[in-house]
Amino acid sequence: EAGVAQSPRYKIIEKRQSVAFWCNPISGHATLYWYQQILGQGPKLLIQFQNNGVVDDSQLPKDRFSAERLKGVDSTLKIQPAKLEDSAVYLCASSLGSGFGETQYFGPGTRLLVL
Amino acid sequence: AQRVTQPEKLLSVFKGAPVELKCNYSYSGSPELFWYVQYSRQRLQLLLRHISRESIKGFTADLNKGETSFHLKKPFAQEEDSAMYYCALRLGGYQKVTFGTGTKLQVIP
Repeated sequence: EAGVAQSPRYKIIEKRQSVAFWCNPISGHATLYWYQQILGQGPKLLIQFQNNGVVDDSQLPKDRFSAERLKGVDSTLKIQPAKLEDSAVYLCASSLGSGFGETQYFGPGTRLLVL
Repeated sequence: AQRVTQPEKLLSVFKGAPVELKCNYSYSGSPELFWYVQYSRQRLQLLLRHISRESIKGFTADLNKGETSFHLKKPFAQEEDSAMYYCALRLGGYQKVTFGTGTKLQVIP
């Protein structure tokens, strides 16, 4: 089966600019996750969708980050305006559901550098 | 809040030597524990989970609730085991997964 797709793979922007990332989950997967992975750290969940509804966005900096999952399939994550500390790899993952025992499948990530 | 601690950033072992990647967690209940692995230039992927109690690529991990640990072990390291390993915890179904900071395993030929 095709894996989780993400684009772009790399992005370099200046601080205060805007940027958007796109994710296409595995077909049929109801749950979609966005993670932020800063260099030297483990992935940190930003937002979790169940179909097109938000399950958890407690760690999403809502003053600058937004995410949507229209029609319960693809998702976009936006940062506006970007700060230097947003430099990280942004990982998208999906799973069939989010219950006990579900496996998350990760995309290749988008590496963001904010100058 | 739950926390996952991986005390070693880098672990270097010789090929054929035993490997133990340490993971401790802070949670008093019954969490779901995982080990994820990321090989060079590949995606993060699930290696094993405690509920499966299985051996994957020769790796095993036992959940020790008394010591709140979930160490990853392999009796004989192979060069292809070189990768980043992340321990992760989920409090239960429908809860978010919390990752540790990761340990880079380097197997020396």
